[in-house]
Amino acid sequence: KNQVEQSPQSLIILEGKNCTLQCNYTVSPFSNLRWYKQDTGRGPVSLTIMTFSENTKSNGRYTATLDADTKQSSLHITASQLSDSASYICVVSDRGSTLGRLYFGRGTQLTVWP
Amino acid sequence: EADIYQTPRYLVIGTGKKITLECSQTMGHDKMYWYQQDPGMELHLIHYSYGVNSTEKGDLSSESTVSRIRTEHFPLTLESARPSHTSQYLCASSLVGPGETQYFGPGTRLLVL
Repeated sequence: KNQVEQSPQSLIILEGKNCTLQCNYTVSPFSNLRWYKQDTGRGPVSLTIMTFSENTKSNGRYTATLDADTKQSSLHITASQLSDSASYICVVSDRGSTLGRLYFGRGTQLTVWP
Repeated sequence: EADIYQTPRYLVIGTGKKITLECSQTMGHDKMYWYQQDPGMELHLIHYSYGVNSTEKGDLSSESTVSRIRTEHFPLTLESARPSHTSQYLCASSLVGPGETQYFGPGTRLLVL
């Protein structure tokens, strides 16, 4: 069964600290993996996308890694800011259909305190 | 920021009412999607469209219906709302292709009393 599991479910950190969010997936055949940021009351916004051949991708203070062999990804946030408070969703796409079906994790709810 | 809009943003209605959630995008995307998301849970695909006059059901069984008469417009209709329909509904669009990024609207939070 194609699944995406994220951990931790929630995380509280102090402003300026770093943190790492985890994503494990069983989706096959794999096409790509995205990390989305979803602010409260808003739709998700894409942060990074990685294909099978990529093992790291950065977007400002966000750095995503991918290990396609172990089917694991992480999102590292450096020097956190209050505006980083949001839900971070790992989304894996398969290539087994023309739709490019997406499998969503439940997200990690990150809270950054001053 | 993506040019995809949803109205209303919040809706509180009584059981049995007919409602239509609006979704419009100005990016010229052929593919559009509707997702349902409950608090703390993953997004579930309920409808999608490849283009004008194309509509398909998604993974999650839904009593809603959709139409795609114009490329930019993808409304979702509930003929008779029930409390079980209370949720957040997210619209998204993308270019054609399995690897294309989906751009999401801000969502509609629906509460059925």
